[in-house]
Amino acid sequence: GENVEQHPSTLSVQEGDSAVIKCTYSDSASNYFPWYKQELGKGPQLIIDIRSNVGEKKDQRIAVTLNKTAKHFSLHITETQPEDSAVYFCAASMNSGGYQKVTFGIGTKLQVIP
Amino acid sequence: KAGVTQTPRYLIKTRGQQVTLSCSPISGHRSVSWYQQTPGQGLQFLFEYFSETQRNKGNFPGRFSGRQFSNSRSEMNVSTLELGDSALYLCASSSLLAGVADTQYFGPGTRLTVL
Repeated sequence: GENVEQHPSTLSVQEGDSAVIKCTYSDSASNYFPWYKQELGKGPQLIIDIRSNVGEKKDQRIAVTLNKTAKHFSLHITETQPEDSAVYFCAASMNSGGYQKVTFGIGTKLQVIP
Repeated sequence: KAGVTQTPRYLIKTRGQQVTLSCSPISGHRSVSWYQQTPGQGLQFLFEYFSETQRNKGNFPGRFSGRQFSNSRSEMNVSTLELGDSALYLCASSSLLAGVADTQYFGPGTRLTVL
């Protein structure tokens, strides 16, 4: 089955710096890669996603890149702010047998230091 | 549109008891998935329901079961609770894209504590 590895597990950055979180996946059939942000006491919230026919997608301070050949994708947050502090999850999704199979990374705890 | 709602938000049970959690998906979403989240294991897939049918199941014992109603609302049940069942249980709903479930939107979760 699919395996998603996520690095680093924790990340501390100064406010205003950039943060990068990286994920690798194993199954080339995965074709959809969402990123979620989970704040304390809340469920994961979708922040950005990318499909396999696109190499990069950007939404204000957040961007995601995908390298299908190397089977890795990354989340980039620029000009970090204290409210970016949260746990971030990557996921790899594929359509299998008529339903969606989603595999999540273990999560990255991001701390933005004011 | 209202988001995914889950009730109750918090539950405390003792070993051996059973528990039922409820999830109401986003209006129009027919696919509902359940996940268990623990600090050490991350998000673990329990099962997915679509049109009242379980389409996919994760590697959990038979004590974990679920169902989906005609209005797409879903419940999951855990019988004979064990200490290790303490976790955040998350529900996610999806619309369909070309007949297959697409982006998942999560609810706030139900925090279950087993004493």
